[in-house]
Amino acid sequence: DAGVTQSPTHLIKTRGQQVTLRCSPKSGHDTVSWYQQALGQGPQFIFQYYEEEERQRGNFPDRFSGHQFPNYSSELNVNALLLGDSALYLCASSSLSGRAQRLGKLFFGSGTQLSVL
Amino acid sequence: SQQGEEDPQALSIQEGENATMNCSYKTSINNLQWYRQNSGRGLVHLILIRSNEREKHSGRLRVTLDTSKKSSSLLITASRAADTASYFCASSGDAGNMLTFGGGTRLMVKP
Repeated sequence: DAGVTQSPTHLIKTRGQQVTLRCSPKSGHDTVSWYQQALGQGPQFIFQYYEEEERQRGNFPDRFSGHQFPNYSSELNVNALLLGDSALYLCASSSLSGRAQRLGKLFFGSGTQLSVL
Repeated sequence: SQQGEEDPQALSIQEGENATMNCSYKTSINNLQWYRQNSGRGLVHLILIRSNEREKHSGRLRVTLDTSKKSSSLLITASRAADTASYFCASSGDAGNMLTFGGGTRLMVKP
């Protein structure tokens, strides 16, 4: 049973460029959340996708957008990259359907380390 | 901004000792969770305590929750070198699974 997979593992971009990060949730999960973790800090919630729609959003600008596909996988897009966007981007999956929904436990991928130069 | 604060930010102990980490949060919660992170990679869920619970155990882990003080603590007993990692508390305000993380405690267990 595959866990949460993210690609790529590392990425280097320059300011102003655009980037797309990808995530496949754990088998049986239908919800994907994205988090940004700056060096030495805790993860910050970007947004959550369920049923191919953005369900919740954190305090991030519109440069951050996402998408969820019918197979529950998800993409995170960041436009007009800034130096401050350099961080570890974590994808987490869970299930909002069925008995598991109230438990709130998240399963995280290993993350994509984005460096903006 | 982070939902809560963790204390201490860094902790260094000898193998076999107990490690205690504290977490405070700001708003009412549905549950509070603790996660572990090795070397800045993915987080691993350790334990979840619901807002109507006061204490929970899982192996060498003991978590307490005081909703009146908006605080929680994680105790790791008989620590091992393999417990070296960063530990984060995360609060959930509803059943929607959105988590708000604290800044983390970096634990080092010396063999």
